[in-house]
Amino acid sequence: QVQLQESGPGLVKPSQTLSLTCTVSGGSISSGGYYWSWIRQHPGKGLEWIGYIYYSGSTYYNPSLKSRVTISVDTSKNQFSLKLSSVTAADTAVYYCARSGEMAIFDYWGQGTLVTVSS
Amino acid sequence: VIWMTQSPSLLSASTGDRVIISCRMSQGISSYLAWYQQKPGKAPELLIYAASTLQSGVPSRFSGSGSGTDFTLTISCLQSEDFATYYCQQYYSFPLTFGGGTKVEIK
Repeated sequence: QVQLQESGPGLVKPSQTLSLTCTVSGGSISSGGYYWSWIRQHPGKGLEWIGYIYYSGSTYYNPSLKSRVTISVDTSKNQFSLKLSSVTAADTAVYYCARSGEMAIFDYWGQGTLVTVSS
Repeated sequence: VIWMTQSPSLLSASTGDRVIISCRMSQGISSYLAWYQQKPGKAPELLIYAASTLQSGVPSRFSGSGSGTDFTLTISCLQSEDFATYYCQQYYSFPLTFGGGTKVEIK
């Protein structure tokens, strides 16, 4: 059973960089065949896909966030990470990591982690 | 970007009711549509993909239909555990997008 777990600071100051890591267990990122995404949900709102990474390091970002987003992978640790720069209060959200296959549907999700942007 | 409109945004229903949730696309997506259920404080869970294919383990009271621009999620006989928020997601093109959600609450 694949499990994903987000980790990182729950509070980030405005203009700083939000950094989160997703640790995958029960399956290897480097085995290929899956894409590893970050998705966020503003409080009481809907879902926004941020972007994905493949084990090879290839990425695709949502154009709405592309200028501020970097997703990276560390196959030796079976982790992938999100960096979102120049954050504002509008980036306050629950951040999820998730797995998808070729069909780009999300079959496994982390539990989510709330990140608040505030001074 | 493909925009998605879900309706209604709030649905009040009773246990045993048949409920139908709609998801309309800004452009055709063939059958590249998924549905998720989200309960408070939890991550979404995949219910249906390819518009009508039930994910393994999902009860048969859930069904999906549609293609092109108009899709529906039907719960044939609402159970207490089905009170939740439902989201549609298109995977026809990037960026992947979700509908705004439909909250199914107890009447």
